[in-house]
Amino acid sequence: RKEVEQDPGPFNVPEGATVAFNCTYSNSASQSFFWYRQDCRKEPKLLMSVYSSGNEDGRFTAQLNRASQYISLLIRDSKLSDSATYLCAVNMGGGASKLTFGTGTRLQVTL
Amino acid sequence: DVKVTQSSRYLVKRTGEKVFLECVQDMDHENMFWYRQDPGLGLRLIYFSYDVKMKEKGDIPEGYSVSREKKERFSLILESASTNQTSMYLCASSLYAYTEAFFGQGTRLTVV
Repeated sequence: RKEVEQDPGPFNVPEGATVAFNCTYSNSASQSFFWYRQDCRKEPKLLMSVYSSGNEDGRFTAQLNRASQYISLLIRDSKLSDSATYLCAVNMGGGASKLTFGTGTRLQVTL
Repeated sequence: DVKVTQSSRYLVKRTGEKVFLECVQDMDHENMFWYRQDPGLGLRLIYFSYDVKMKEKGDIPEGYSVSREKKERFSLILESASTNQTSMYLCASSLYAYTEAFFGQGTRLTVV
């Protein structure tokens, strides 16, 4: 089983739709969680951290479910500019600062 | 803003050459990382460093080595480049363990 898993997609949604991605992780001792956005042929950029109580940043909401070991990202009112690959990242804990990434979920927002 | 700078955007090298990829960060971050990214495989950690002269193997260290002589600089070395090392290489840094990482713009390396 991979340490961090994501559905690769693509998710094709119309503008204005709500879309959600999940990311599962294998290590229950994982300490911190993040969502990154990556545009084609560019570097990943931090979208948001994921906090235990859940957090929101404009149209984006991130949640953590420790019991089931997954994090989620919800995008409301999708824009064309949201088209990208979304990567989850998990710090596995155990004293190491190693950040492990999922393979990413591709989102395509269409007119 | 955090700035992570990689020395080259594109690099073409011959099989057997020794290759140096340089990365510099300007925010006094403790941790630095080297990943490679390949289609379908995602980002895979090669090596990371949590302090000057300290390094730890990641998931795919074979064929690579690293050097961190100064806090702001982390170098990835391909001792003898091979065609299966053709990839996008991404450097990242983070302030502490468990904090978010910031990436450089990437180096697309082609080994011919």
